[in-house]
Amino acid sequence: DVYLVESGGGLIQPGRSLRLSCTASGFTFGDYAMSWVRQAPGKGLEWVSLIRSKGYGGTTQYAASVKGRFTISRDDSKSIAYLQMDSLKTEDTAVYYCTREPLFDLWGQGTLVTVSS
Amino acid sequence: DIVMTQTPLSLSVTPGQPASISCKSSQSLLQSDGKTYLYWYLQKPGQSPQLLIYDVSSRLSGVPDRFSGSGSGTDFTLKISRVEAEDVGVYHCLQGRSLPWTFGQGTKMEIK
Repeated sequence: DVYLVESGGGLIQPGRSLRLSCTASGFTFGDYAMSWVRQAPGKGLEWVSLIRSKGYGGTTQYAASVKGRFTISRDDSKSIAYLQMDSLKTEDTAVYYCTREPLFDLWGQGTLVTVSS
Repeated sequence: DIVMTQTPLSLSVTPGQPASISCKSSQSLLQSDGKTYLYWYLQKPGQSPQLLIYDVSSRLSGVPDRFSGSGSGTDFTLKISRVEAEDVGVYHCLQGRSLPWTFGQGTKMEIK
């Protein structure tokens, strides 16, 4: 089976850091770019970050709302994508999904991040 | 950034009746490679989004043929020919023309 599983979410205080993981299975992870998308409670979907495959330089992109605070990375040997989230704000509270580019045809179940004091 | 505007934001449909959702982009989604990067997703209650349509009108394998996508440039439409109870949820459009990728606000569809 082909699937993605996110982990690492939880309750965190403003200003602290959290690292999310996205573990892939059933496909050649290294061949694909991966993105993180989030959904605040009761809101729509917001693209957060992208990491291209090593074949395309492994370059990264970020939404303006997280640039300078979040860092995306990948470990193709483990089929894992990461999202390091620093200086968290209350407005970062959301379910975070990882998804496979370019079609966003595969999504994980999401992991909830709650930023609150 | 490309702004994606969906209408309506909610609709209630009787089973067996058609439904239509519009998605308009603030810029053309036609890329220099000739493709138009517009996608449709359905997020069923309590679930992750699932891809229905890519490149405006290509249905993902396994998606029922009652779902169809159309449009060009900046105006796009998702149509469901005969709504079924399992089609309930929030429909999202997404542009993949230029970063940052942007979604519409979502259209919540309920069954009467």
